[in-house]
Amino acid sequence: EDQVTQSPEALRLQEGESSSLNCSYTVSGLRGLFWYRQDPGKGPEFLFTLYSAGEEKEKERLKATLTKKESFLHITAPKPEDSATYLCAVLNSGGSNYKLTFGKGTLLTVNP
Amino acid sequence: DGGITQSPKYLFRKEGQNVTLSCEQNLNHDAMYWYRQDPGQGLRLIYYSQIVNDFQKGDIAEGYSVSREKKESFPLTVTSAQKNPTAFYLCASSMRDPWGDKNIQYFGAGTRLSVL
Repeated sequence: EDQVTQSPEALRLQEGESSSLNCSYTVSGLRGLFWYRQDPGKGPEFLFTLYSAGEEKEKERLKATLTKKESFLHITAPKPEDSATYLCAVLNSGGSNYKLTFGKGTLLTVNP
Repeated sequence: DGGITQSPKYLFRKEGQNVTLSCEQNLNHDAMYWYRQDPGQGLRLIYYSQIVNDFQKGDIAEGYSVSREKKESFPLTVTSAQKNPTAFYLCASSMRDPWGDKNIQYFGAGTRLSVL
């Protein structure tokens, strides 16, 4: 059974204080790993897809990296508007083409 | 603008009542999904559909039903058999190609269902 564990559950940063969120996963074969951002009361917003170990993607202050066992979402010099819950999900290459397994998310709060 | 529209935003259900949540997309996506989100838990898949007139149960399908008569629409009915329906319901869609960026799932804004 696919499993996704995100840590920490909650993270509080000061504006400008860089940090990383972790997503550890167990899948028989990884087709893709996805990062989403979710604001309170809203649907998840797609951020990145990573497909193979060593791959990296960047968007503004966010950078996602992937190894064979985990992914990191690095946040550089965060701003209060980066406050949200960040969700990680994996797609298994051996199962249904379309079934994502999600972690419980990391709630990020950036204080001004 | 292309996107996924869920309605209503808030819904209240009385005991013994069936309620239907609407999901419409104009992204020309073949696949559509319904997830349930509870506080402190990850998104859990209720049902998904890869093509019109076909759908499969997800991990927590009991007490729910769906239909897929049109490519654009994938309504979810929460039946009276679902004893704990209070949750945030999310609809998503994607293309069917399992490789590359085409398997990205895009989400609607959600429907919050509460029991009266």
